Amino acid sequence: EDQVTQSPEALRLQEGESSSLNCSYTVSGLRGLFWYRQDPGKGPEFLFTLYSAGEEKEKERLKATLTKKESFLHITAPKPEDSATYLCAVQANVVNYGQNFVFGPGTRLSVLP
Amino acid sequence: DTGVSQNPRHKITKRGQNVTFRCDPISEHNRLYWYRQTLGQGPEFLTYFQNEAQLEKSRLLSDRFSAERPKGSFSTLEIQRTEQGDSAMYLCASRGGTEAFFGQGTRLTVV
Repeated sequence: EDQVTQSPEALRLQEGESSSLNCSYTVSGLRGLFWYRQDPGKGPEFLFTLYSAGEEKEKERLKATLTKKESFLHITAPKPEDSATYLCAVQANVVNYGQNFVFGPGTRLSVLP
Repeated sequence: DTGVSQNPRHKITKRGQNVTFRCDPISEHNRLYWYRQTLGQGPEFLTYFQNEAQLEKSRLLSDRFSAERPKGSFSTLEIQRTEQGDSAMYLCASRGGTEAFFGQGTRLTVV
């Protein structure tokens, strides 16, 4: 069964203090790994898709990387507006298998001014 | 606004009542998903449509839940005889290519 875990569960950073969030996964062939940002009371907002080990994507202060077993979301010099829950999801790449995305529980990030 | 639209945003209902939610996907997207999310958890998959065909249903989806997507456009999710455990955020997502884009969700509270 496909599984996604994320750590830490919650993270508090001072503004400007860089850190990384972890997403570990087991999946029957990876079609894609996805990072989303979710603000309280709102739907997840798409950030990145990663397809294969070694791939990296960047957007402003965020950089996502992928290995065969895990993905990292690096946050460089975060600002208070980066505070949110960051969700990781995987989609399997098996013919006639499910088309659904399996999500992890998320990491709640708080960036203090 | 060309994003995924969900209505209503909030719904409070009494236990035992039926509720229906609507999702309007991004217009060119043929794939549509329903997820449920409770506080502190990631979204849990409920069901998946490709065009008008419902191709997948989670084991989480009891017989009180039914979803439709007539003509492959908007979708509805109905919950019959609601229970307090149904209280959650119900999220809809649509996909044209690889990425799925989510709506703002419908927050259901069963009292």
